[in-house]
Amino acid sequence: GAVVSQHPSRVICKSGTSVKIECRSLDFQATTMFWYRQFPKQSLMLMATSNEGSKATYEQGVEKDKFLINHASLTLSTLTVTSAHPEDSSFYICSARPSGLITDTQYFGPGTRLTVL
Amino acid sequence: QKEVEQNSGPLSVPEGAIASLNCTYSDRGSQSFFWYRQYSGKSPELIMFIYSNGDKEDGRFTAQLNKASQYVSLLIRDSQPSDSATYLCACVGSSNTGKLIFGQGTTLQVKP
Repeated sequence: GAVVSQHPSRVICKSGTSVKIECRSLDFQATTMFWYRQFPKQSLMLMATSNEGSKATYEQGVEKDKFLINHASLTLSTLTVTSAHPEDSSFYICSARPSGLITDTQYFGPGTRLTVL
Repeated sequence: QKEVEQNSGPLSVPEGAIASLNCTYSDRGSQSFFWYRQYSGKSPELIMFIYSNGDKEDGRFTAQLNKASQYVSLLIRDSQPSDSATYLCACVGSSNTGKLIFGQGTTLQVKP
């Protein structure tokens, strides 16, 4: 149980284009999902908290107009990187927290590796 | 002072030995603590969570929590080369936002 999928696993795009990444909880409902970014040999950096049916909460320094988050259902959150540039190239990872659990356990998706040319 | 601190390592142990990974946290109100394993180029994988003082065992893994000392540890018994990875300690702070606060991670190398 507690499986989270991400699609696509890898994407290469040209500078200036937009890229959408999907995060799905496959066998549980998740009121809250989280989006992280990780650069090589660095630790996870939380970008935003995504809540079903409401606006995402962004961490300081993360541009909400550049990284659009939509959490339209209890099993799906999407991250759209708008007008991507080479410096946006990174490993994007989502996590989902099962609804109704006592603990704040987060289960991570396999990640999406974005390369912007 | 970082909120969650780990020694970055690398920690090197021979195959079959016990690996001991340590973590301290600064927010005394933290309630939930997690250990994740991350292989190079992959996303984190949950190993264990603990929220009560004492030990919690799951197979070859034992998590230990000491809230008075603000200390969490992970013991890996009979270490295998496949355990070689970065181990991330995380906690949920007293602000109760549900956000995980991660340490920098400890790299473990298990040598055959």
